[in-house]
Amino acid sequence: QVQLVESGGGLVKPGGSLRLSCAASGFTFSGYYMSWIRQAPGKGLEWVSYISGSGGTIYYADSVKGRFTVSWDNAKNSLYLQMNSLRAEDTAVYYCARLLGYCSGGSCYGFRFDPWGQGTLVTVSS
Amino acid sequence: QSALTQPASVSGSPGQSITISCAGTSSDVGGYNYVSWYQHHPGKAPKLMIYDVSNRPSGVSNRFSGSKSGNTASLTISGLQAEDEADYYCSSYTSSSTLVFGGGTKLTVL
Repeated sequence: QVQLVESGGGLVKPGGSLRLSCAASGFTFSGYYMSWIRQAPGKGLEWVSYISGSGGTIYYADSVKGRFTVSWDNAKNSLYLQMNSLRAEDTAVYYCARLLGYCSGGSCYGFRFDPWGQGTLVTVSS
Repeated sequence: QSALTQPASVSGSPGQSITISCAGTSSDVGGYNYVSWYQHHPGKAPKLMIYDVSNRPSGVSNRFSGSKSGNTASLTISGLQAEDEADYYCSSYTSSSTLVFGGGTKLTVL
């Protein structure tokens, strides 16, 4: 059964750093794209980043570009999100999700998030 | 990367049908047939309900259907049931190779 479990959330001060992890079971990361999505309290879903199975294709939302870094460890079948220079507006539940679809020749096709993890809460506050 | 536009809330009685719209631009919804819809019960993991505008994943009830016209996609739920009460989000691939969600719609089953 395909399952994703996030961890690493917690309380951090503005300007601080945190690394989130997403452990996968039931499939191998290297064959898929993976993504991070977040939901601030009382707000909607916001796409954060995605990474290809090879690690060669990475995209970020403008709101986190230059501060967040996505990566994965094939040996541990785990996805990571390194978050630096955290701001109050980064407070959210962070979900990891497998991103079905593929990219070829500079374009991507059929992207959809399935499945999702249960999420981990990140709170940025002094 | 502006969010797609969804109505904040919709409601319907059991057995009725409702439609949730998702308005974008020619750079996202209108430019690609890669619109997907997610059901989110608070505190749980979001669930994929529709992908590639109108395709249903295995296991999703055929009461859920999707369509698109121009820059606007739609999710229709027929035969409303109490368990359909949830938040619904659309998502689209964009011309910047990024992804974007709608603001979300809260469905209330009266």
